[in-house]
Amino acid sequence: GAGVSQSPSNKVTEKGKDVELRCDPISGHTALYWYRQSLGQGLEFLIYFQGNSAPDKSGLPSDRFSAERTGGSVSTLTIQRTQQEDSAVYLCASLTGHSTDTQYFGPGTRLTVL
Amino acid sequence: SQQGEEDPQALSIQEGENATMNCSYKTSINNLQWYRQNSGRGLVHLILIRSNEREKHSGRLRVTLDTSKKSSSLLITASRAADTASYFCATSEGAQKLVFGQGTRLTINP
Repeated sequence: GAGVSQSPSNKVTEKGKDVELRCDPISGHTALYWYRQSLGQGLEFLIYFQGNSAPDKSGLPSDRFSAERTGGSVSTLTIQRTQQEDSAVYLCASLTGHSTDTQYFGPGTRLTVL
Repeated sequence: SQQGEEDPQALSIQEGENATMNCSYKTSINNLQWYRQNSGRGLVHLILIRSNEREKHSGRLRVTLDTSKKSSSLLITASRAADTASYFCATSEGAQKLVFGQGTRLTINP
């Protein structure tokens, strides 16, 4: 079946604009993660959705960042009033939520804030 | 907060040689995973080792885990040019939340 998909693959925006990044997880996967990766760095956890439970937002860097997951499937990460330091690759991953702990990653969205 | 720390940060070897990367972590874990990333985009899962396992093999990959030292190693044998990538360890805490290290950039020279 299809893997995790993300759109857009690249996004260039001006400082102060809002952006929305989309993640389509693997069908049937109940858990979904967002990570951020700055150039040459490791992955920084942002937010985690598991089924109908309240999301774990502990990694969101500021209140300009928010995410939602509609119908337990597609997720949107929104960054308001973007800043240059928001430039990074944003990665989404999903997993079954069962005993298999492997996360399946999407190709990422490269965000550039000018 | 950062959990896994990879060592070395960068490694360059000749094709055919073995590559060893190390990962250290700080807290108790459920499992430890290794991922590969090409060209700074999506990560590919390589291998998972659970906290009660000491060694695991998958093809040319060998992973060890020493929970007493809170460390793991990834060995790639008979390296190939296609192995050139960044390698990350990630530890699982509680509800499958993964915490990643900074990664090791591996370059295989032909």
